[in-house]
Amino acid sequence: QSVLTQSPSASGTPGQRVTISCSGSRSNIGTNTVNWYQQLPGTAPKLLIYTINQRPSGVPDRFSGSKSGTSASLVISGLQSEDEADYYCAAWDDSLTYVIFGGGTKVTVL
Amino acid sequence: EVQLLESGGALVQPGGSLRLSCAASGFTFSNYAMSWVRQAPGKGLDWVSAIRAIGGDTYFADSVKGRFTISRDNSKNTLYLQMNGLRVEDTAVYYCAKGGYSGFDSHFDYWGRGTLVTVSS
Repeated sequence: QSVLTQSPSASGTPGQRVTISCSGSRSNIGTNTVNWYQQLPGTAPKLLIYTINQRPSGVPDRFSGSKSGTSASLVISGLQSEDEADYYCAAWDDSLTYVIFGGGTKVTVL
Repeated sequence: EVQLLESGGALVQPGGSLRLSCAASGFTFSNYAMSWVRQAPGKGLDWVSAIRAIGGDTYFADSVKGRFTISRDNSKNTLYLQMNGLRVEDTAVYYCAKGGYSGFDSHFDYWGRGTLVTVSS
């Protein structure tokens, strides 16, 4: 069981808004920044959001991130078919003294 | 263009050893922390180890502490992961990942394609 908790799955039709949550604790999300990764089927993970809400160059602005207390969220506004992938949150944990990933959320476009 | 190319994955028996390499190019390797992240078949991402750019401080997940060591050769732009005492549960694709800035946290801005390690008798 992951220290960071994500819902295993989420889905929506094209154009819908999808929210993926990542729940942690004070020693990880509560204290440190959160990063999000997208993994398309059969490929390596890709940085999607860094430092809570920053998008790397080339990431569409329909992806956004936020953090409140010990939880973080990734929002896909205007879901597209190419967004079908697994999404992972990640943070440093001060108690464990290493990086932890959420269990991942599989997004399906209906 | 940043490129990370892992190698060294293989089939190995339980208790065996393996050394993975990650050849980096397209950036100043010595300026960035580097990590190994693995993914067991059909499972999620699992951070394994990291080494800082400056000072060479290393970090390990509890699951590999005492069995794996991480090192880097900045003259060769190469990252290594020495894996000893391998267990069936170490079976995974191992990714090399570049830190996103001069410090170190969970920010990995480039990833390699991975190399498969299979531990089985």
